[in-house]
Amino acid sequence: NFMLTQPHSVSESPGKTVTLSCTRSSGSIASSYVQWYQQRPGCAPTTVIYEDSQRPSGVPDRFSGSIDSSSNSAFLTISGLKTEDEADYYCQSYDSSNPVVFGGGTKLTVL
Amino acid sequence: QLQLQESGPGLVKPSETLSLTCTVSGGSITSSTYFWGWVRQPPGKGLDWLATIYYSGDTYYSPSLRSRVTMSVDTSKSQFSLRLSSVTAADTAVYYCARLDGSDHMFDYWGQGTLVTVSS
Repeated sequence: NFMLTQPHSVSESPGKTVTLSCTRSSGSIASSYVQWYQQRPGCAPTTVIYEDSQRPSGVPDRFSGSIDSSSNSAFLTISGLKTEDEADYYCQSYDSSNPVVFGGGTKLTVL
Repeated sequence: QLQLQESGPGLVKPSETLSLTCTVSGGSITSSTYFWGWVRQPPGKGLDWLATIYYSGDTYYSPSLRSRVTMSVDTSKSQFSLRLSSVTAADTAVYYCARLDGSDHMFDYWGQGTLVTVSS
């Protein structure tokens, strides 16, 4: 089994750019797609990035995803931060033994 | 538009079995592309995948819960279900049902979630 490690919390100011990380403990980050979900309080998660870097329709292009094999990590970058981006963000991936693995989540504060 | 709706008791006693059902509407539960799953979230904590099922009945369980969890599917009712045995207070959580795209393992549709409290 592998784990996905995310920082517990990140803070940034409106208008700035923030990058959230998700580090895979074993196996290559590039071997399986990574998804990113946004979850606001009291709501179900919604997808903001799928297949490492794809945006679902309706998600602003301020959201972008990438992976880096050297750090074995995936990244979610949000530019032009808005107060409405304040939420919890979860990365998720899988392998042949585990159909779903979630990261622990990052609480993004925009202040 | 696909919709998923969880149903089941909101209160379960310790050591008993938690049972939840998810009803799928606006789409086919027998689509070959998709799986169906359960994810839970304890209060103030992160997302925890429990189990996934294909419409044929093939199941995949979280290693940490494999001994206590069972999923089933009833295609005639467009429903799938979760049973979690020997519950404790640690199983108190919001339980979500969701659709998993088999091509990229993305959860693309979620139910609204239902809070299940384990307490005597």
